[in-house]
Amino acid sequence: GENVEQHPSTLSVQEGDSAVIKCTYSDSASNYFPWYKQELGKRPQLIIDIRSNVGEKKDQRIAVTLNKTAKHFSLHITETQPEDSAVYFCAAAGGGKSTFGDGTTLTVKP
Amino acid sequence: NAGVTQTPKFRILKIGQSMTLQCTQDMNHNYMYWYRQDPGMGLKLIYYSVGAGITDKGEVPNGYNVSRSTTEDFPLRLELAAPSQTSVYFCASSFSTTNSPLHFGNGTRLTVT
Repeated sequence: GENVEQHPSTLSVQEGDSAVIKCTYSDSASNYFPWYKQELGKRPQLIIDIRSNVGEKKDQRIAVTLNKTAKHFSLHITETQPEDSAVYFCAAAGGGKSTFGDGTTLTVKP
Repeated sequence: NAGVTQTPKFRILKIGQSMTLQCTQDMNHNYMYWYRQDPGMGLKLIYYSVGAGITDKGEVPNGYNVSRSTTEDFPLRLELAAPSQTSVYFCASSFSTTNSPLHFGNGTRLTVT
């Protein structure tokens, strides 16, 4: 089955700095790669996604890149703010299901 | 639309007891999923369904059962609760798996003592 590895597990940045979270996947049949943000005690919610026929996608301060050959995809957050502090999960989807990474706890210090 | 609704929000079970976690969605999504999230960990897939009458095992199905008699409902059954099943359970649904995200319910926090 699919295996998704996510790094780093924790990330602390100063407000205004950039944050990068990286994921790798194993199954070349995966074709959809969403990122979810989970605030403490809340449900995961989609923040951005990318499909396998696209290399990069941007939405304001958030961008995602995908390298299908290397089976890597990354989340980039620029100009971080304290409200960006949360747990971020990457996922790889295909074949009827999604497999999640173990999450990255991002702390943005004011 | 209410989206994905899970009940109950919290539950404490004794070892060996049984219970059903309820999940319903009003978005007419064919795909539904049950995940568990242990403290500080990611989401592990328990069971999923690609449509009414069809279910399949995920990564961690042991100790659980599901059914999908309607498009809207996807209950998760714990038959003999064990302490290892203490977790937060999330139900989710999606329009498809190839290009649409998961919509999660608010979760059920289950403690087995």
